[in-house]
Amino acid sequence: QLVLTQSPSASASLGASVKLTCTLSSGHSSYAIAWHQQQPEKGPRYLMKLNSDGSHSKGDGIPDRFSGSSSGAERYLTISSLQSEDEADYYCQTWGTGGVFGGGTKLTVL
Amino acid sequence: QVQLVQSGAEVKKPGASVKVSCKASGYTFTGYYMHWVRQAPGQGLEWMGWINPNSGGTNYAQKFQGRVTMTRDTSISTAYMELSRLRSDDTAVYYCARAGRYYDSSGYYQPDHYFDYWGQGTLVTVSS
Repeated sequence: QLVLTQSPSASASLGASVKLTCTLSSGHSSYAIAWHQQQPEKGPRYLMKLNSDGSHSKGDGIPDRFSGSSSGAERYLTISSLQSEDEADYYCQTWGTGGVFGGGTKLTVL
Repeated sequence: QVQLVQSGAEVKKPGASVKVSCKASGYTFTGYYMHWVRQAPGQGLEWMGWINPNSGGTNYAQKFQGRVTMTRDTSISTAYMELSRLRSDDTAVYYCARAGRYYDSSGYYQPDHYFDYWGQGTLVTVSS
């Protein structure tokens, strides 16, 4: 069964970097994922599509501070030079026989 | 620029139906699949299904089979999601989301089912 696993929470200081992880279930390590950001009281916003080889294509207007990488079944979202507006929930999403979402990671900017 | 603008909040009684609209602009409506995703209060995102605006073909998550109907009106570039036999646990924000696409080896566009634009959301409250 295709499942995406994310840590429920993460935190980092203003101006620092943070790396969020999304793990694909066994047997699905070749799957691409998408990262979405959801700021408080807002709808989701597409950040990027991330392939198994680490190549990624970002959405319109997404700053260079957001980047993606891959290793095996793990897909990463790195945010550098953290700003207060980066405090949000981050969801990974993929596609099997239907849409699949991770449980989301709540990022706190200290 | 691509925009997905959804209809306003709804309050419904248990057992009723709700129909949410999603008006697309800034791109060719029939060229991209439209998905629907919902989010219960304080919870994560849940995929409901998609519609191919070109053909009208649909694919629903098993959980919603028999209760959800997705349609479209190409003349006004609008997709609709209707959910029937509402229950209190259907209380959620409902989002439309456009799926991206890619060129296959035969030179045809195929949907890649990664959501590259989202609507602003429609709160549906089910309460007696």
